[in-house]
Formats: sequence, C-alpha cells, structure tokens
Amino acid sequence: DAGVIQSPRHEVTEMGQEVTLRCKPISGHNSLFWYRQTMMRGLELLIYFNNNVPIDDSGMPEDRFSAKMPNASFSTLKIQPSEPRDSAVYFCASTVGGDRNQPQHFGDGTRLSIL
Amino acid sequence: GENVEQHPSTLSVQEGDSAVIKCTYSDSASNYFPWYKQELGKRPQLIIDIRSNVGEKKDQRIAVTLNKTAKHFSLHITETQPEDSAVYFCAASSPHNNAGNMLTFGGGTRLMVKP
Repeated sequence: DAGVIQSPRHEVTEMGQEVTLRCKPISGHNSLFWYRQTMMRGLELLIYFNNNVPIDDSGMPEDRFSAKMPNASFSTLKIQPSEPRDSAVYFCASTVGGDRNQPQHFGDGTRLSIL
Repeated sequence: GENVEQHPSTLSVQEGDSAVIKCTYSDSASNYFPWYKQELGKRPQLIIDIRSNVGEKKDQRIAVTLNKTAKHFSLHITETQPEDSAVYFCAASSPHNNAGNMLTFGGGTRLMVKP
C-alpha cells in the first residue's frame, strides 16, 4: 500500500493567495483527519471526516479555512486568503474508522510557508 | 473534550539507559492510547498502542503501561540507542458519537540519546 499521499510536499506563496492542500487516504480507510503542526501549538486537529462527511470541524481556525471530501479517495484543505501565521506543516491522516480503535496513519505532510 | 498532558517536554539520556515518558488524560471514556515517534522533518509514525482492556504491552525494547483508574499511561524505552532520538507523542482516543474515534495528542517529548 502506498500509504497516505499528500501534495504538494512544500508550498511557498505570498500572503493573500489561495492555497489548496490535497490528500489521498489509504484505500479502505473511511476516516480522514487534517492536522496542523507548529512549534508553538504542537499537533492540532483541524477537521475530521467519516465516510466523506465532516464530523467535527471545531479545530478549523477561522472562515478562511475550508475542507472538502468529495469522495472516499480525495480530500482538500483550502486557505483563502492565506496569512503568514498559517505557516506550518499540515498533515493528513486516515484510519479504518468506526468503533474499532485502529491507529491513524499519517501522510508525509505539506510544509506551507506564507510570505 | 479530552485533554492530554505529557511530561517531560525534553529528555536527555545516555546510550543504553532507559527512558520513560508519561501522559495523563481527562476523559474516562477514552479507550485507545497510541504512541507516535516523529523524526526531524518526517511524519509521525505509530510505534506502539494499547487498548483500555490491557494494562501493559511490550514490543522488543519498548513497552507501554496503562492505569485506567488514575488515567495515566507511560512509554518505556530500554537500552536506548542514538536512533531513538526523536519527538514522541502520546495520544488518547475518545469515541465520537459512533462516528469513529478522535485522537487528542500530548505536547510531545523531545528525546535525545547521547552516544
């Protein structure tokens, strides 16, 4: 299995621009998570999907952030407009989901720098 | 919601010594406790996990213990090696309305193993 695939690996853009991060979960996994990691705040859960439906988006910082999961094999996290404080590493993770207590598997992350 | 505290934030040991990292959690409904290792610039990777019906689990040089009454769990690494140097995260998983489990992460422990 290829694991969780994220793209791009690195993104550098100017503030005000729209940023789209992409994630392909492991085939057969029906729960998907977006995390943000910074030195100051650690690993924060932004949003969580189960069977393509957003279950908990209480971690999404503000309206500039949005996430979609149009099908079981693809999700996007969008920031519009981007700001320097959004600079972080964004991880996507997936798991089997349900009530089976299976581990989450992380992608390699997208390192985002907003200038 | 769940709150996970992790200590210490940094830990320096001599090669061959043991290392212990401790975590506490707040939600008595939490029933799954994974540990992740994150090397510099890489993704978090699961190293061991424990479920609430078990008190201890071992895998070669690493072991995890769980005390449900006290709501704390610990990671033990014996015979540490330089390649064990990384940031370690504990996490606790709470059932979320039968829509899967969400992980709440501790703040991380930077382990340095000196040769």
